[in-house]
Amino acid sequence: DGGITQSPKYLFRKEGQNVTLSCEQNLNHDAMYWYRQDPGQGLRLIYYSQIVNDFQKGDIAEGYSVSREKKESFPLTVTSAQKNPTAFYLCASSYGGRSNQPQHFGDGTRLSIL
Amino acid sequence: GENVEQHPSTLSVQEGDSAVIKCTYSDSASNYFPWYKQELGKRPQLIIDIRSNVGEKKDQRIAVTLNKTAKHFSLHITETQPEDSAVYFCAADSGGSNYKLTFGKGTLLTVNP
Repeated sequence: DGGITQSPKYLFRKEGQNVTLSCEQNLNHDAMYWYRQDPGQGLRLIYYSQIVNDFQKGDIAEGYSVSREKKESFPLTVTSAQKNPTAFYLCASSYGGRSNQPQHFGDGTRLSIL
Repeated sequence: GENVEQHPSTLSVQEGDSAVIKCTYSDSASNYFPWYKQELGKRPQLIIDIRSNVGEKKDQRIAVTLNKTAKHFSLHITETQPEDSAVYFCAADSGGSNYKLTFGKGTLLTVNP
């Protein structure tokens, strides 16, 4: 969807380095998500945020951190504690509400280790 | 937590044939089940979804069925075309008050001309 922008498209990390992946949406969605995609593994949830200034750990949060200071932005930091960061990272967003709403994805960031 | 199993992991069909992908889930409180299509190197795109108050939903050549008692749901693609070739993911929501989706591991569908 054109309303979700992830940058950069490709990112390289050196050993011991923290890197931050950007995710911006102009869909006025309340909820935002970060997923990691590895070959044959499907999409695994790292962190999600239902509202500004609030976020929850997903299934594989170790070695990652996030912030949600603005409704339209949900950056993901891959810390040096994440020992196997090479993957395709997808950001998504959805409307809030009582029942789950469709999630719309960005184009992803491919992270590799130098 | 929710566990979603998806089968088969790969599926090859001839153009014009039908394709069926099946998923099972573990959380009886789940009530939202989307399907996504992901072409190589691109973003997943929602192709159809179903909620627990209906048993079947159709959109042109694509249909999804849901059996809440058995906790399984299926994607049916009829009259397959080469452009249907992609990885398909099923997902189920957490059923609680948060917004988590749990995804299956995906099915690589290849439609041979």
